[in-house]
Amino acid sequence: DAKTTQPNSMESNEEEPVHLPCNHSTISGTDYIHWYRQLPSQGPEYVIHGLTSNVNNRMASLAIAEDRKSSTLILHRATLRDAAVYYCIEDNYGQNFVFGPGTRLSVLP
Amino acid sequence: DAMVIQNPRYQVTQFGKPVTLSCSQTLNHNVMYWYQQKSSQAPKLLFHYYDKDFNNEADTPDNFQSRRPNTSFCFLDIRSPGLGDAAMYLCATSRDFGIGETQYFGPGTRLLVL
Repeated sequence: DAKTTQPNSMESNEEEPVHLPCNHSTISGTDYIHWYRQLPSQGPEYVIHGLTSNVNNRMASLAIAEDRKSSTLILHRATLRDAAVYYCIEDNYGQNFVFGPGTRLSVLP
Repeated sequence: DAMVIQNPRYQVTQFGKPVTLSCSQTLNHNVMYWYQQKSSQAPKLLFHYYDKDFNNEADTPDNFQSRRPNTSFCFLDIRSPGLGDAAMYLCATSRDFGIGETQYFGPGTRLLVL
């Protein structure tokens, strides 16, 4: 079973920031948090991952709570092409990824 | 610049007729994975290869087998497809197996069982 919980769906307006939350209350000290997204009719694609510190890349930012029991994926300016299902995954060493149901993000023009 | 390639994108088979799905990669990654994704559900791992070492998930049905003849190619064989096996099948790769590794997914093959 997935070890993370996320809202089923969220909505955003185009060109506004989006904050996608994830709870991972059973996370252990060496577990990474990964985010992937799946656009319609495509395979999942990597977005970002982190361990303790906040992370930034060209796609998004990842803010990890100090106790590491939750994190937030931040899309700074949502576009229509960001409409997808976003998966938050707890990466346990030696274990395979377990995808939860994810958050379906709708972006309104 | 396709990195993980799955052909065909759509496959139709008949109930009980063996079918093979293929995946190839240009990344020279050690690990290849097969996931099953049913409609409106999250991807579910079936098995993975680390180099030639095969690792089956505990709840993967015996009906599903896999072959990896070389680094670049990996096949998913469904020996006797049932209606419940209709799904999107996703292939993914990673450079290594372990914490922090990124997985690269192909576009998937959608299997229809008649």
